Amino acid sequence: KNEVEQSPQNLTAQEGEFITINCSYSVGISALHWLQQHPGGGIVSLFMLSSGKKKHGRLIATINIQEKHSSLHITASHPRDSAVYICAVFGNTDKLIFGTGTRLQVFP
Amino acid sequence: EPEVTQTPSHQVTQMGQEVILRCVPISNHLYFYWYRQILGQKVEFLVSFYNNEISEKSEIFDDQFSVERPDGSNFTLKIRSTKLEDSAMYFCASILEGGEQFFGPGTRLTVL
Repeated sequence: KNEVEQSPQNLTAQEGEFITINCSYSVGISALHWLQQHPGGGIVSLFMLSSGKKKHGRLIATINIQEKHSSLHITASHPRDSAVYICAVFGNTDKLIFGTGTRLQVFP
Repeated sequence: EPEVTQTPSHQVTQMGQEVILRCVPISNHLYFYWYRQILGQKVEFLVSFYNNEISEKSEIFDDQFSVERPDGSNFTLKIRSTKLEDSAMYFCASILEGGEQFFGPGTRLTVL
């Protein structure tokens, strides 16, 4: 079983829709990262969370430490949000453990 | 805005050859990482480096791999004798301390 599980694996949406991507993990963590991987392959850090909720523009990330679960929400989705969204966790070591990613396509 | 850079963007090599992938992390960052992503698969941790030594490495990071920070700015990943299965995208990343990871654009390694 993967230590970091994401759902769904693939997601399509119409422009303007509210998007939710989920991440569950099975290890103790010091921090959780949400990353965006563009079609060209580059990876950008969106959020780093250890508790609560963070917001940046149309993106919101939440984490529930007790339930070992995090969600990434995109409000008013846009075609430029199309990318792979990756959840990754720092366990109790200096090693980032990655989920398999959620491929999001937003159509106009 | 400061960024992590990697060279080359694409490296093609013959099986058995040595390759060195180069990274220039953000200048005041303290922790450095190499990751790889085989085509169609998830990103995998290879190694972390702090205070001029390896702090953590994965089971992938065997004796064929080594890392070095030779001059205080570059951070290199060497693969001594490349195999076909080493073909992947290799990403370097750096952080200041306990912060967000800044990723380089990646080096695509193709082993023929």
